[in-house]
Amino acid sequence: EAGVAQSPRYKIIEKRQSVAFWCNPISGHATLYWYQQILGQGPKLLIQFQNNGVVDDSQLPKDRFSAERLKGVDSTLKIQPAKLEDSAVYLCASSGGGARGYTFGSGTRLTVV
Amino acid sequence: GEDVEQSLFLSVREGDSSVINCTYTDSSSTYLYWYKQEPGAGLQLLTYIFSNMDMKQDQRLTVLLNKKDKHLSLRIADTQTGDSAIYFCAEITPENNAGNMLTFGGGTRLMVKP
Repeated sequence: EAGVAQSPRYKIIEKRQSVAFWCNPISGHATLYWYQQILGQGPKLLIQFQNNGVVDDSQLPKDRFSAERLKGVDSTLKIQPAKLEDSAVYLCASSGGGARGYTFGSGTRLTVV
Repeated sequence: GEDVEQSLFLSVREGDSSVINCTYTDSSSTYLYWYKQEPGAGLQLLTYIFSNMDMKQDQRLTVLLNKKDKHLSLRIADTQTGDSAIYFCAEITPENNAGNMLTFGGGTRLMVKP
């Protein structure tokens, strides 16, 4: 089966600019997650969708981050305006349930200068 | 602080066994996972263990779970240079009215010397 697709792979922006990331999960996976992985740390959950509804966004900095999952398939994560501390890899994952957990995409590496 | 803790670094010689350790705090964890991350890549699921099991073996990988001490370990037998990567321990904790949420440790960087 095709994996979780993310784009772009890399993005460099200046602080205060906007950026958007895209994720296409594995077909049929109802649950989609966005994680932020700062260099040298483990991934931290930003938001979790079940179909097109938000299940958990308690860790999402809502003053600058937003995410949507229209039609319960693809998802976009947006940052506006970006700060230097947003430099990280943004990982998307999807899950169809069961013990095998999640399948992760390769991530988008964001550098804010 | 972290709910899942790991040591930062481990160095072994090729052919030796590697043991990566992890401690977690949530006793309601249902599944515990080991993921591998190579440079510039996403997270690859290596293996997982259900919380009512003590041990799971999968080829060169052995997972040991001590539920009383909330301690999880990953043993890699006959470690190869291709095993050099960052290894993340993670737990799934059931959340009310939510899907299962995966919580990661900070990762252990394994370096394998030829």
